[in-house]
Amino acid sequence: DGGITQSPKYLFRKEGQNVTLSCEQNLNHDAMYWYRQDPGQGLRLIYYSQIVNDFQKGDIAEGYSVSREKKESFPLTVTSAQKNPTAFYLCASSIGTASQPQHFGDGTRLSIL
Amino acid sequence: AQSVTQLDSQVPVFEEAPVELRCNYSSSVSVYLFWYVQYPNQGLQLLLKYLSGSTLVESINGFEAEFNKSQTSFHLRKPSVHISDTAEYFCAVSGHQGGSEKLVFGKGTKLTVNP
Repeated sequence: DGGITQSPKYLFRKEGQNVTLSCEQNLNHDAMYWYRQDPGQGLRLIYYSQIVNDFQKGDIAEGYSVSREKKESFPLTVTSAQKNPTAFYLCASSIGTASQPQHFGDGTRLSIL
Repeated sequence: AQSVTQLDSQVPVFEEAPVELRCNYSSSVSVYLFWYVQYPNQGLQLLLKYLSGSTLVESINGFEAEFNKSQTSFHLRKPSVHISDTAEYFCAVSGHQGGSEKLVFGKGTKLTVNP
């Protein structure tokens, strides 16, 4: 079955620690996205990548970093510079055109210890 | 820039009642419109989409949405809801912006279906 796999499902971060969230897709999609979801805020775009070895900042990129070394993988690092990292993080992928929908993983919930 | 407004953050209804979840958008370019559904602790699933053609689009589980260009709306409706429809619903708009295609989401509407 094709889809998007996010891991881990739950993650805890200590103060001053960087953590990396994994996102893998086997849909052969060119574009991948990271969103942050907070209650009542909808989804906000952190970073996106339209092709391997290239990515752009979204609306709330500060305190986050990404890489896109392989087409199927788009890991997100939450750095210690992100002062309020507690949220639900969603990864998505798409063919990359505006008319095609995005497919989502089941998310990673990050909490601060 | 594009934006999406979902007018109700929470909508409680009784089972078998009709429901309408409202969505308005603004955009300076032609848009594509989507409704997604999210069940607790899960990702978003596509419910239906409007790309072109008939302004009324339907999903396989009885939801429908109508694209109204003059009112810049894309409201979601279901004539009779079930307990299992309890979820959060997101309206989204996409279009070509500054050399890239992005999806802009509304803040969501929590639908609660009570017995």
